[in-house]
Amino acid sequence: SQTIHQWPATLVQPVGSPLSLECTVEGTSNPNLYWYRQAAGRGLQLLFYSVGIGQISSEVPQNLSASRPQDRQFILSSKKLLLSDSGFYLCAWSVGVPGNTIYFGEGSWLTVV
Amino acid sequence: AQSVTQLGSHVSVSEGALVLLRCNYSSSVPPYLFWYVQYPNQGLQLLLKYTSAATLVKGINGFEAEFKKSETSFHLTKPSAHMSDAAEYFCAVSVTGSNYQLIWGAGTKLIIKP
Repeated sequence: SQTIHQWPATLVQPVGSPLSLECTVEGTSNPNLYWYRQAAGRGLQLLFYSVGIGQISSEVPQNLSASRPQDRQFILSSKKLLLSDSGFYLCAWSVGVPGNTIYFGEGSWLTVV
Repeated sequence: AQSVTQLGSHVSVSEGALVLLRCNYSSSVPPYLFWYVQYPNQGLQLLLKYTSAATLVKGINGFEAEFKKSETSFHLTKPSAHMSDAAEYFCAVSVTGSNYQLIWGAGTKLIIKP
């Protein structure tokens, strides 16, 4: 069966520090991968999605970036965090065509102080 | 452009009462429709999904949803609420040609009163 792992689960970082959140998927090949963010009291915001290695689409201009160095690995990064980057970050995956279910990881809480 | 509207950011029901969470979508083509549930500090979990088969879709934990094309709705129901149903519920639509994205509603927080 397929599983998704996301870490770290909780992170407290000072303003201006770098960020790296990592996500890996097991049990499937060539998944579509996603990074979402939930700010406090707000809905889901799609940040990045990837349909293959090295193929990243950005949905929201910001100081975050994503990379996909391997088929089942998706990394969210920032060189300098802002207070507004605080939130709950969710990695997710799906396969196939639009309409397939998206499966989510357990999420990472980021607090920028 | 496609959109999803969830009526009510918070819905409060008594334990044992009917749960009704509303979702309306806008789409010019037949959509795929989803309901997800998110428990506190966790990721989202699929409750159920409509893929143009039966219009009444049964999901996990006793939830079901009915696709009504004429009303462009996909409301989520459960006959009898349980305390463990307290969570946030998200409706989403995926349309062919949407570049693999789901269009998400803003979410409805379900509160269960004892």
